[in-house]
Amino acid sequence: DTGVSQDPRHKITKRGQNVTFRCDPISEHNRLYWYRQTLGQGPEFLTYFQNEAQLEKSRLLSDRFSAERPKGSFSTLEIQRTEQGDSAMYLCASSRTGDLTDTQYFGPGTRLTVL
Amino acid sequence: AQTVTQSQPEMSVQEAETVTLSCTYDTSESDYYLFWYKQPPSRQMILVIRQEAYKQQNATENRFSVNFQKAAKSFSLKISDSQLGDAAMYFCAYRGLYGGATNKLIFGTGTLLAVQP
Repeated sequence: DTGVSQDPRHKITKRGQNVTFRCDPISEHNRLYWYRQTLGQGPEFLTYFQNEAQLEKSRLLSDRFSAERPKGSFSTLEIQRTEQGDSAMYLCASSRTGDLTDTQYFGPGTRLTVL
Repeated sequence: AQTVTQSQPEMSVQEAETVTLSCTYDTSESDYYLFWYKQPPSRQMILVIRQEAYKQQNATENRFSVNFQKAAKSFSLKISDSQLGDAAMYFCAYRGLYGGATNKLIFGTGTLLAVQP
């Protein structure tokens, strides 16, 4: 396993700009999750894919956020018209159906700073 | 809704000593999973240990063990023979078994563990 990878690791943008993050899950994992973590807090769930289907979106995910997983492999998370409140670490995790506990493995995260 | 509470924002332990991190949770479900994750500074979150609620036996992974008290909804992590590399933020997390389509993790706010040489 090469682990979950995320790109970029850091992103600095100006308020109002659009940003896109990418997540590549562990190769045999069919489930993919996005979380957001602000300083001093635990991660909060944003959205979840099983294969290419987006099965749940948190109320934290405003209309400015969109996530895709077009071929059931990598996923992208786009934030439009960024706001300073979007500054956070965006974590991706993956897991596999059939794993008894459905353990999620996390990537290194993308740290977003909105100026 | 399920919640996870970690009441110790910071803890400190001497190298080679034992430390216990506390976690309580609230749920109306009878089957679920509990996890401890470790997040070193500027590094990614890694799984430390996991516990199935239907198992009475406490999980153990080398120097890490849990004390799972289902009736009390308590899930503490014990780190034995603490090492400098154990210094990190530790998160307790809950995942329900019958939460619908999602398998989302619900995290506590974390405990920052310092290990003193």
